[in-house]
Amino acid sequence: SQKIEQNSEALNIQEGKTATLTCNYTNYSPAYLQWYRQDPGRGPVFLLLIRENEKEKRKERLKVTFDTTLKQSLFHITASQPADSATYLCALDGRNTPLVFGKGTRLSVIA
Amino acid sequence: DTGVSQDPRHKITKRGQNVTFRCDPISEHNRLYWYRQTLGQGPEFLTYFQNEAQLEKSRLLSDRFSAERPKGSFSTLEIQRTEQGDSAMYLCASSFPGTSGSSNPYEQYFGPGTRLTVT
Repeated sequence: SQKIEQNSEALNIQEGKTATLTCNYTNYSPAYLQWYRQDPGRGPVFLLLIRENEKEKRKERLKVTFDTTLKQSLFHITASQPADSATYLCALDGRNTPLVFGKGTRLSVIA
Repeated sequence: DTGVSQDPRHKITKRGQNVTFRCDPISEHNRLYWYRQTLGQGPEFLTYFQNEAQLEKSRLLSDRFSAERPKGSFSTLEIQRTEQGDSAMYLCASSFPGTSGSSNPYEQYFGPGTRLTVT
């Protein structure tokens, strides 16, 4: 069955460092992969999308990589700030199939 | 503010009662999705509509759950004979696949959710 794993439930890092979150998947061939941010008590908010034929995507301090051979995506936040503390979700989409979300990684940036 | 609204934000009900939630998507969005999220989990797909047509339902969706989108605008999700296991956050999202010229046709805009507690 399809499976999505995000590397850890929680990640603590020091302010100013780069946070790296991992999303691995099995038994799936996504056409693209999305990353969302979710704050407590709120719905997810879209951050970045990367397609199967793209290796890397950037947006301000965010960078996403996608390796379809390793079946893995890495999500980086550079120069992290306490305001980046949230849960980050990866989501996979096939071709005309619903999004499948991972459990998320709760990131805490410590000042 | 994403523009998707959900009502109510919180609902406490007794086991066996029926509940109905409403979602108002962003007005030009023709796709509407329902998800369920429990603590420590990511959103789990329930069903989605394109305009008024319900195109897909999760195999996990019990017969006690029904969703409608009568005029292709707002949607309702009804749960009949609620059980304690139905306690969760119910999220609605909308999108507009549009044409290939859309900046991001796959982005889903989520509402704030309805938190259901079944006692």
